[in-house]
Amino acid sequence: LAKTTQPISMDSYEGQEVNITCSHNNIATNDYITWYQQFPSQGPRFIIQGYKTKVTNEVASLFIPADRKSSTLSLPRVSLSDTAVYYCLVVPFSGSARQLTFGSGTQLTVLP
Amino acid sequence: DTEVTQTPKHLVMGMTNKKSLKCEQHMGHRAMYWYKQKAKKPPELMFVYSYEKLSINESVPSRFSPECPNSSLLNLHLHALQPEDSALYLCASSQGSKRPGRRPDTQYFGPGTRLTVL
Repeated sequence: LAKTTQPISMDSYEGQEVNITCSHNNIATNDYITWYQQFPSQGPRFIIQGYKTKVTNEVASLFIPADRKSSTLSLPRVSLSDTAVYYCLVVPFSGSARQLTFGSGTQLTVLP
Repeated sequence: DTEVTQTPKHLVMGMTNKKSLKCEQHMGHRAMYWYKQKAKKPPELMFVYSYEKLSINESVPSRFSPECPNSSLLNLHLHALQPEDSALYLCASSQGSKRPGRRPDTQYFGPGTRLTVL
């Protein structure tokens, strides 16, 4: 399983765009990049997943350069409720049950 | 619908008690998981069930006993726990198809059970 590296913490202000970068130098050809959000004492919530270039949904965008050795989660116009831990994971594409290995995650704090 | 439910939300137990945590999903997923999460740490995998059979056991002590009675339910039976077992216990499920796929098997997590062992 490819190891991921993220900043331990980030601060932002309400209304700003936040970009969290994840490094995954050993990503394999059949790996996807997946991001989860976790609030205190709650389960991780799936945010977005991608393989290459750009993926966008109603919550976030995910930018993946051509070499796929890093990825950037972009949260537009954050609010106080976006304060959470964000985990970047590399997941092989496979139909079968696989274990997820969570890294340390990034604690995002949104300030008023 | 991507909902995984867990009961109870909170549980306090003594070291001699026997209790069970329950997890349920109705998404037709065939893989279910138990994770343990200590404060300010990432979730750590404990068990994986695939098609109601235990497929991964991450060297978890025998005082934790998983059970998968059917494809929608997952239990974690607890007996003779230690105070250091206090944590947030998370259940997750995923499609878990036996056929090779072209997309990752995304896991969906429940809200967790906050366990305190006295």
